[in-house]
Amino acid sequence: GQSLEQPSEVTAVEGAIVQINCTYQTSGFYGLSWYQQHDGGAPTFLSYNALDGLEETGRFSSFLSRSDSYGYLLLQELQMKDSASYFCAVRDNYGQNFVFGPGTRLSVLP
Amino acid sequence: EAGVAQSPRYKIIEKRQSVAFWCNPISGHATLYWYQQILGQGPKLLIQFQNNGVVDDSQLPKDRFSAERLKGVDSTLKIQPAKLEDSAVYLCASSFWGAAVDEQYFGPGTRLTVT
Repeated sequence: GQSLEQPSEVTAVEGAIVQINCTYQTSGFYGLSWYQQHDGGAPTFLSYNALDGLEETGRFSSFLSRSDSYGYLLLQELQMKDSASYFCAVRDNYGQNFVFGPGTRLSVLP
Repeated sequence: EAGVAQSPRYKIIEKRQSVAFWCNPISGHATLYWYQQILGQGPKLLIQFQNNGVVDDSQLPKDRFSAERLKGVDSTLKIQPAKLEDSAVYLCASSFWGAAVDEQYFGPGTRLTVT
């Protein structure tokens, strides 16, 4: 089976940097994804890591260490609009089962 | 390009009634997913289609839930009979098959309330 762990809540101030960690246990591993979801909205894709290392997209970066079964999402220059829930998700190496983590609720304070 | 379409957006039914949700994916997306998201939790995959074939339905409660994608395009998810614990948002998503980046595009969801 698969399981993922994320902190339930994170709070930071505008302009700061925040890191949201994700650890996973899978029977196989295909890739780690990150999604953002505002209250009442649908999840939107942020980033994807299949190989070890850092992927950067604007203010957001995502890191993966396959040997440690660990990844994180880094949000820089935080803005009020970044207040949302952030989910990591994994797909097993057969490319089939896709599982979301429990989510981290980020609150950005002025 | 048009996004993933879902209907209805909201539905209220009584327990033991039946309900159906409809999803039209982004044109050209061969893979379609149905998720259940209970308030405060992450989305849970119910079923994944590749064209009109089922790839994964291991978490679909098959005694009451059914889904089909007959022509490999739009899809319906049905619950019969509904239980109180089925109250949730039902999300449909689609993606390219075999893309280098595993990116899913989500519809707005259907919020189901079972009373």
